[in-house]
Amino acid sequence: NAGVTQTPKFRVLKTGQSMTLLCAQDMNHEYMYWYRQDPGMGLRLIHYSVGEGTTAKGEVPDGYNVSRLKKQNFLLGLESAAPSQTSVYFCASSYLGWEVNEQFFGPGTRLTVL
Amino acid sequence: KNEVEQSPQNLTAQEGEFITINCSYSVGISALHWLQQHPGGGIVSLFMLSSGKKKHGRLIATINIQEKHSSLHITASHPRDSAVYICAAPAEETSGSRLTFGEGTQLTVNP
Repeated sequence: NAGVTQTPKFRVLKTGQSMTLLCAQDMNHEYMYWYRQDPGMGLRLIHYSVGEGTTAKGEVPDGYNVSRLKKQNFLLGLESAAPSQTSVYFCASSYLGWEVNEQFFGPGTRLTVL
Repeated sequence: KNEVEQSPQNLTAQEGEFITINCSYSVGISALHWLQQHPGGGIVSLFMLSSGKKKHGRLIATINIQEKHSSLHITASHPRDSAVYICAAPAEETSGSRLTFGEGTQLTVNP
């Protein structure tokens, strides 16, 4: 059981470049989440999914897109990276919503946009 | 919108001490989470609770719904407990709203 995995672990982009972060879970969880973590701020929800083929906006969705074509994968895309998107990105999953289940987190992706 | 406040922001203790980290929130909730973020960055869920108290090893979490307050206690602290501890509560009273996270408490336990 790998749990929640994220690729890549580190990435440096130039302003305007695009990239996709991949999150995979092998626990058959319905819910998946993308968060960003910035110094002096708590984790903030970017987008989330309550099941295969569904996505929804979180607290800070601007500049990001997501897709959940397969239940086990949740992709986060940056179409045109900006320095403000420099952050550590965490993916998480849970069997059902946070009200009934704990969330399992991936190891994080450290992204720097120059 | 729920405001989640943690205190203290930083805490240094000697090995063996009893630790208390506090979390206050502003709106009614159905469940609250405590998380631990290791020095390497990984995040694990410690507790999810909606009433009373939960215990896991040397960790104890309590919640007082009326006071809108939760505490995380660590008994017989050890240097390996050094981490950031984060509480999370729903952003709004409506069911299914996202979680809002506290900024975390940095705990350092010295040998």
